Amino acid sequence: NAGVMQNPRHLVRRRGQEARLRCSPMKGHSHVYWYRQLPEEGLKFMVYLQKENIIDESGMPKERFSAEFPKEGPSILRIQQVVRGDSAAYFCASSPRYARTDTQYFGPGTRLTVL
Amino acid sequence: AQKVTQAQTEISVVEKEDVTLDCVYETRDTTYYLFWYKQPPSGELVFLIRRNSFDEQNEISGRYSWNFQKSTSSFNFTITASQVVDSAVYFCALSGIIQGAQKLVFGQGTRLTINP
Repeated sequence: NAGVMQNPRHLVRRRGQEARLRCSPMKGHSHVYWYRQLPEEGLKFMVYLQKENIIDESGMPKERFSAEFPKEGPSILRIQQVVRGDSAAYFCASSPRYARTDTQYFGPGTRLTVL
Repeated sequence: AQKVTQAQTEISVVEKEDVTLDCVYETRDTTYYLFWYKQPPSGELVFLIRRNSFDEQNEISGRYSWNFQKSTSSFNFTITASQVVDSAVYFCALSGIIQGAQKLVFGQGTRLTINP
C-alpha cells in the first residue's frame, strides 16, 4: 500500500505535554499539507511544505505549533504544551507537484485527545 | 476570499433512493478546481472527484454523478440507488490557482445516512 501514512492513529496527551504527529507522503510525492478537523466541522488548512521548506503556514496558530519536512524522513507536526482545544483529527495530504494542478491524497488522520 | 457552502448538514434516506448533495462555492479566481471527498465512519478521507473550472461536463462514475454549473457556482453530487455503504460524511472542497494555490478550502460537510 503506497498511500499516505500517518502515525500514530490515536494519540492521548495530558495538558502541557507535547504532541508529535508524523506523516509519510505517497511515494513520488514531494508536497505535504496538514489540515485540522475539529469535532463536527470541516477540515481547515494549516500548513503546506515541500522538502526542507515551509511554503505556506497561514493556517497555523501563531504559538505552540510548528511543522517540518526534512530532507530525509517524514513530515512532523509538533504541538507544544497542548491544551484541550487542540483535541481534533489532524490530516496530512500529499501531492506530486503543485496543489493547483494535482489532487491531494489524504492519510487516515491522527486523532489527538488532550485530557 | 474563497468559501464553500454545504447547506445540508444531515440527510437521511432509505436504501435505493436517489440523493443529491449540494455544494455552492465562492471564488474570484478564474481558474480553480473543485473536489468531493468521502469520510466514512472509519474516519479516513477518500478522494472521489476533481473538476477544473473550464470543464463543465457532467461526470458519471457508476452510481455517482456530478453536476457542475458555473453560472450558479454549484457542484452537486448525486448518488443513484443509494446503499448502506454510502453512509458517510461528504465534503466539497475548492482549490484556487491564484489565491490560496496551495490549500483546499472545505465545506462543513454533509452527513449522509442510508437506512436499510
